[in-house]
Amino acid sequence: EPEVTQTPSHQVTQMGQEVILRCVPISNHLYFYWYRQILGQKVEFLVSFYNNEISEKSEIFDDQFSVERPDGSNFTLKIRSTKLEDSAMYFCASRVDRVNYGYTFGSGTRLTVV
Amino acid sequence: TQLLEQSPQFLSIQEGENLTVYCNSSSVFSSLQWYRQEPGEGPVLLVTVVTGGEVKKLKRLTFQFGDARKDSSLHITAAQPGDTGLYLCAGVINQGGKLIFGQGTELSVKP
Repeated sequence: EPEVTQTPSHQVTQMGQEVILRCVPISNHLYFYWYRQILGQKVEFLVSFYNNEISEKSEIFDDQFSVERPDGSNFTLKIRSTKLEDSAMYFCASRVDRVNYGYTFGSGTRLTVV
Repeated sequence: TQLLEQSPQFLSIQEGENLTVYCNSSSVFSSLQWYRQEPGEGPVLLVTVVTGGEVKKLKRLTFQFGDARKDSSLHITAAQPGDTGLYLCAGVINQGGKLIFGQGTELSVKP
């Protein structure tokens, strides 16, 4: 079964540092997403990406966040200057073209900002 | 702001009992998806319902989409300890495919 792969599985970083979370979506999928889940809270949408550009972003996704698909396989989320409240599980997801098909989520990166 | 209210948040039952989890919203969704999430893992898709009134069965799990496409339910018949886990509903609002998640239902099935 095809998988969405995320690395690293855990990342601890100091406040103010930059982090890059990496994802390899399923190869024939066209739409890519980042979600996050703060401990004990709902899974929240961050950003969607299609055709090499952001198609939608949430209020959470401010100037500290950016996404890239640099080489046609990797999909990255960068947080420029991490804050304590950025500590969360970050999930990458991808899907094929039809919106009502299900999504495949990665196993997540647990980011801890200290 | 689109909201999806999921209830109950916690459910502890004995093996063999039936249960129903509900997701409700004032928003209309183009589809509604149900996921199961294990600790430390990403959500895993169980089913997608698309048409108002649609019912889908997955072994002992029955999923229903409301006629107005604003609500959905998950019914488990004769629950087993292996059903223990976090169940999430998520609605798709637009063609961009953003998912709006419910709070989740933590199900515990005791032998």
